[in-house]
Amino acid sequence: DTEVTQTPKHLVMGMTNKKSLKCEQHMGHRAMYWYKQKAKKPPELMFVYSYEKLSINESVPSRFSPECPNSSLLNLHLHALQPEDSALYLCASSQDAGWYGYTFGSGTRLTVV
Amino acid sequence: SQQGEEDPQALSIQEGENATMNCSYKTSINNLQWYRQNSGRGLVHLILIRSNEREKHSGRLRVTLDTSKKSSSLLITASRAADTASYFCATADTTSGTYKYIFGTGTRLKVLA
Repeated sequence: DTEVTQTPKHLVMGMTNKKSLKCEQHMGHRAMYWYKQKAKKPPELMFVYSYEKLSINESVPSRFSPECPNSSLLNLHLHALQPEDSALYLCASSQDAGWYGYTFGSGTRLTVV
Repeated sequence: SQQGEEDPQALSIQEGENATMNCSYKTSINNLQWYRQNSGRGLVHLILIRSNEREKHSGRLRVTLDTSKKSSSLLITASRAADTASYFCATADTTSGTYKYIFGTGTRLKVLA
């Protein structure tokens, strides 16, 4: 299995809702990442997990809460989002949190109304 | 910001022609990677070139790296309509003491059949 699977593919949520994005990989990768991408912009790093521990938080607002329950799974919990949080959310994994290529999922297209 | 800048921002060519896109960055790097992103989808890792390498090939892709000029180029030979996508360089940020990649601004390539 050489894939990173993200669910759901599309999500529409209200500003008072609580929802979660899910990311799964079975490649034995020990580093996992969340990126946010706005239209026609490059991906921006949000969080890095290394060996199931949060190693980087790029000053992301607390309405985004990551969780890594095990080495194969990464969640992003969303609460009280704003319309400007609408974006493509990408999950990626790599062999280790070192200098390796990333495998990306196809993303979750999030719309906050 | 360490974000790399790519040029051109957009490129339109005929099928069969070669496409060249450039990436410039600001700090010392361990390696540089190139990714492709089809519209609204996840990123696909194309090639990684280390700081002690000057040129690397993969199929129709040729990547060069000039660390003295802090620049890299990606050449796609004999382009096809399926190469239509956005292309991003990603540089490994070593300044923070942690491992993270910062994506460049991207080049949108359109290959006309």
